[in-house]
Amino acid sequence: GAVVSQHPSRVICKSGTSVKIECRSLDFQATTMFWYRQFPKQSLMLMATSNEGSKATYEQGVEKDKFLINHASLTLSTLTVTSAHPEDSSFYICSAKTSGSPEQYFGPGTRLTVT
Amino acid sequence: DAKTTQPPSMDCAEGRAANLPCNHSTISGNEYVYWYRQIHSQGPQYIIHGLKNNETNEMASLIITEDRKSSTLILPHATLRDTAVYYCIVRVFTIGKLVFGAGTILRVKS
Repeated sequence: GAVVSQHPSRVICKSGTSVKIECRSLDFQATTMFWYRQFPKQSLMLMATSNEGSKATYEQGVEKDKFLINHASLTLSTLTVTSAHPEDSSFYICSAKTSGSPEQYFGPGTRLTVT
Repeated sequence: DAKTTQPPSMDCAEGRAANLPCNHSTISGNEYVYWYRQIHSQGPQYIIHGLKNNETNEMASLIITEDRKSSTLILPHATLRDTAVYYCIVRVFTIGKLVFGAGTILRVKS
């Protein structure tokens, strides 16, 4: 099956700093990538959808200037959490799909802790 | 996208079949039923999807009622590794967003 990786798997950063999370499709071309956030004991919440070469579409309530998404190639998307605060601590998960395919493949997630 | 309703939790004995129900009474004609699962602290894993016919793959079977208002995911021989949160999602085939509800926590016990 298709594989999606995320890096790093865990990151701890200080309040006020920015952190970048990478999402890569290893064996297929991802025309669309999605970013989710999951707080403890809660379900996944879609943050944004990005198509390769286009600006990301953010879900209602998600600050686009705080969560910068770049999908510059068919195998890589990045999420940058700018000026992170403790309330941004969460499990961030990406997923990817190819055009016309119904299946969406998920990465293993990145645990962000802001101190 | 249509909403789904699932029981919050279920228990199943190891080796027995696990039957996970899902209600999706407002499903539209062009919406598919998808099942994903999430093992603790991992990304979701695709299980199966279907439109109106029953489907089976190496992981599970999906039974969809004739009126398409509900479905059941069947894990034929549950193992301890099947303990996870199972999400039932309905969406348009290739373009709809995957919107995750609360899911069902399945605990497989020895």
